[in-house]
Amino acid sequence: GAGVSQSPRYKVAKRGQDVALRCDPISGHVSLFWYQQALGQGPEFLTYFQNEAQLDKSGLPSDRFFAERPEGSVSTLKIQRTQKEDSAVYLCASSRWTVMNTEAFFGQGTRLTVV
Amino acid sequence: AQRVTQPEKLLSVFKGAPVELKCNYSYSGSPELFWYVQYSRQRLQLLLRHISRESIKGFTADLNKGETSFHLKKPFAQEEDSAMYYCALRPQTNAGGTSYGKLTFGQGTILTVHP
Repeated sequence: GAGVSQSPRYKVAKRGQDVALRCDPISGHVSLFWYQQALGQGPEFLTYFQNEAQLDKSGLPSDRFFAERPEGSVSTLKIQRTQKEDSAVYLCASSRWTVMNTEAFFGQGTRLTVV
Repeated sequence: AQRVTQPEKLLSVFKGAPVELKCNYSYSGSPELFWYVQYSRQRLQLLLRHISRESIKGFTADLNKGETSFHLKKPFAQEEDSAMYYCALRPQTNAGGTSYGKLTFGQGTILTVHP
């Protein structure tokens, strides 16, 4: 594909509902990141995958957040029992390698609104 | 831990005027510094990185380790420069296997260039 693709672009969830956000990285990209961007803030790291391995999930705010990348390509971020404070834009980024001098390419994000 | 500070939430200039977007960071190791830009209704994209020492769209940024700053400058602003700008840091060295490219962002500066 042309770039990192995220779906849905917009999601409205009732408090307590479970949601699943999808990320299609650029084909062949080894590294995949999820970031959370609250209104008026910069993106904040949630979790990192190297192929199918989740090497860092230190940024996940609670055990209601879960991410997977079972085949090392598409990734899903799942939020259980959504709360109002989960409202944010969720960004996915991928990069070709794991070494330092590689650029991260971002998707357009999924805007989650919990009502 | 690393931290990126962008002291100005909003910055307005007139077309043709010089512009400087400030960025300060704190990090105990060797950082890589980046500027990302997000134009209206577009995804976050890399503008420039300090390692490349290049000028992109007339913008330059110099890493000042003494002042821990990475300010973004352009001598003559254009209306099409209006956008949200984020300064970001990632560790340059792979310390303990955890520095795989995770970015720490500042809060962002909205630049408006008036005609």
